[in-house]
Amino acid sequence: KAGVTQTPRYLIKTRGQQVTLSCSPISGHRSVSWYQQTPGQGLQFLFEYFSETQRNKGNFPGRFSGRQFSNSRSEMNVSTLELGDSALYLCASSISRDRGLGNTGELFFGEGSRLTVL
Amino acid sequence: AQKITQTQPGMFVQEKEAVTLDCTYDTSDQSYGLFWYKQPSSGEMIFLIYQGSYDEQNATEGRYSLNFQKARKSANLVISASQLGDSAMYFCAMREGPPGTSGSRLTFGEGTQLTVNP
Repeated sequence: KAGVTQTPRYLIKTRGQQVTLSCSPISGHRSVSWYQQTPGQGLQFLFEYFSETQRNKGNFPGRFSGRQFSNSRSEMNVSTLELGDSALYLCASSISRDRGLGNTGELFFGEGSRLTVL
Repeated sequence: AQKITQTQPGMFVQEKEAVTLDCTYDTSDQSYGLFWYKQPSSGEMIFLIYQGSYDEQNATEGRYSLNFQKARKSANLVISASQLGDSAMYFCAMREGPPGTSGSRLTFGEGTQLTVNP
């Protein structure tokens, strides 16, 4: 069973540019969430999508946006990049069943997209 | 608001010995889940173990066990027979609410860097 796939793995941008990151969840998983990881702030929740709808949103400015497609694949976009946006962006997928044995709400993470803003 | 505290920025252990990584949490919910993830230098977050708030027994997964003390709001990870490959960052995380109903949002601690010495 293929894991969570994130592309690109590494990218370098300059201030003011915008970037789009992609995430393909594990087959059958309907929930995709995004996290930002920096040395100073640690792991912070960005947003979660479920069945193409944003279900949860973290405390990030409107420059950070995302979407989910009908095949559960997700993209996140950061516009007008700032130096502080340099981070590892992690995508995670989850089955997100409401009931059922073994449903822990466990997240399965990808290897991340490492963004450097110069 | 939920909060996870990991008070050990770094820990050292000799190969084949056991080590305990501390985690305390704060929540007003009665139903919640606690997770431990391992993050090697490659960046991917690897799920280790899960404990539900209503689980009466401590969770175990191979060499990993979770010392869950609900009244003290602690969920310490115990790694037995440490191996060199266990060297990584370890994160404690919490999901508030039952799985599936409130989404897949996790709150993470700051992490503990574990180094296993030969």
